[in-house]
Amino acid sequence: DAGVIQSPRHEVTEMGQEVTLRCKPISGHDYLFWYRQTMMRGLELLIYFNNNVPIDDSGMPEDRFSAKMPNASFSTLKIQPSEPRDSAVYFCATQYGIFNQPQHFGDGTRLSIL
Amino acid sequence: GNSVTQMEGPVTLSEEAFLTINCTYTATGYPSLFWYVQYPGEGLQLLLKATKADDKGSNKGFEATYRKETTSFHLEKGSVQVSDSAVYFCALRTPGGYQKVTFGTGTKLQVIP
Repeated sequence: DAGVIQSPRHEVTEMGQEVTLRCKPISGHDYLFWYRQTMMRGLELLIYFNNNVPIDDSGMPEDRFSAKMPNASFSTLKIQPSEPRDSAVYFCATQYGIFNQPQHFGDGTRLSIL
Repeated sequence: GNSVTQMEGPVTLSEEAFLTINCTYTATGYPSLFWYVQYPGEGLQLLLKATKADDKGSNKGFEATYRKETTSFHLEKGSVQVSDSAVYFCALRTPGGYQKVTFGTGTKLQVIP
């Protein structure tokens, strides 16, 4: 089992640039979640998908953030334009649908916006 | 709505000390309860879970019992090791609807030799 795979692991870029974070879920998992983790705000749910369909994006902070899941094997989180306050660790997590099953997290992307 | 309250950290213990990290929750219905652990530079990983009242979840020497009467799910370990140093998150999910998980704010544990 390869687990949830995120790329890149680290991203450093300048303010105003477009940033794309990628996630490959565990095969067979039908839920996918994007989280952001910072010291100040802890772990925040940004958006989640069920069977590739966005269900709840109420946690997306601004229109600069967008997420897609074109198929069951791939999801992206895009920030355009990026700002220094977007600096955080972004996690993707996936889950098989039964409610008492746990979420499986990737190792995250550490994003620094200069 | 659902909420999870964890004790403030950081918690600093000497090796072989007894650990308790408190967690209480508010939820509608009958939630499943989880403890996740996050080691430095990694994502969260499931430590243990309990799905109904009086269930005890256990793993790697850690235990937590689902107490519906006190709406609590405290994490315990009899003898901590330096390798247990991490951040611990209590979480819940209620059945029905969509599969959002409510996480606590996390409690950092530091074990010193």
